[in-house]
Amino acid sequence: AQKVTQAQTEISVVEKEDVTLDCVYETRDTTYYLFWYKQPPSGELVFLIRRNSFDEQNEISGRYSWNFQKSTSSFNFTITASQVVDSAVYFCALSGKLGGTSYGKLTFGQGTILTVHP
Amino acid sequence: DGGITQSPKYLFRKEGQNVTLSCEQNLNHDAMYWYRQDPGQGLRLIYYSQIVNDFQKGDIAEGYSVSREKKESFPLTVTSAQKNPTAFYLCASRGGARTEAFFGQGTRLTVV
Repeated sequence: AQKVTQAQTEISVVEKEDVTLDCVYETRDTTYYLFWYKQPPSGELVFLIRRNSFDEQNEISGRYSWNFQKSTSSFNFTITASQVVDSAVYFCALSGKLGGTSYGKLTFGQGTILTVHP
Repeated sequence: DGGITQSPKYLFRKEGQNVTLSCEQNLNHDAMYWYRQDPGQGLRLIYYSQIVNDFQKGDIAEGYSVSREKKESFPLTVTSAQKNPTAFYLCASRGGARTEAFFGQGTRLTVV
């Protein structure tokens, strides 16, 4: 079984503040993949980043950064100097291999609603 | 342009009726997924298919049915057995286990 937990249901910040979205996962697979998606008010999910279980390097992309720690089963996402356009729902997701199949399930967390106030 | 198309964007259904949501992709992806989104519950997996003519139940398959007769198409039928079908439905596809999923724009289903 696999599970993704995003304990923060809603976060509210003022523009230019830094904000970290938490993601904790559970899986029995030794090979798995983690993802972050953004869902703006339009509803369509936008892919942000992918990380595989063998690559624990942290990554920075502009104002976005990701901290993957296998020891604590966490894959946290930080937005630096937040902007109003960052307001959205953010989802963490996990995909592993089950029973030798190629794709397995793609499981999402409950999502974190981020509101950035001007 | 390559992508995933869901139709219709809004759908209204009377209680007791079956309704089918369309999902088409031209990305040549093998795997396709259907998710249901309710406020505060994230995305819950209904069904997924890894290859034509094969599909697996997700976490909330009761009251839903799917088919995968063509690689490009993965329609979802919401049957009258689904007790609370009002929700936002998202379809996705993936080209490989290491790749991200691409999503359609969603269908908002309302039972009236």
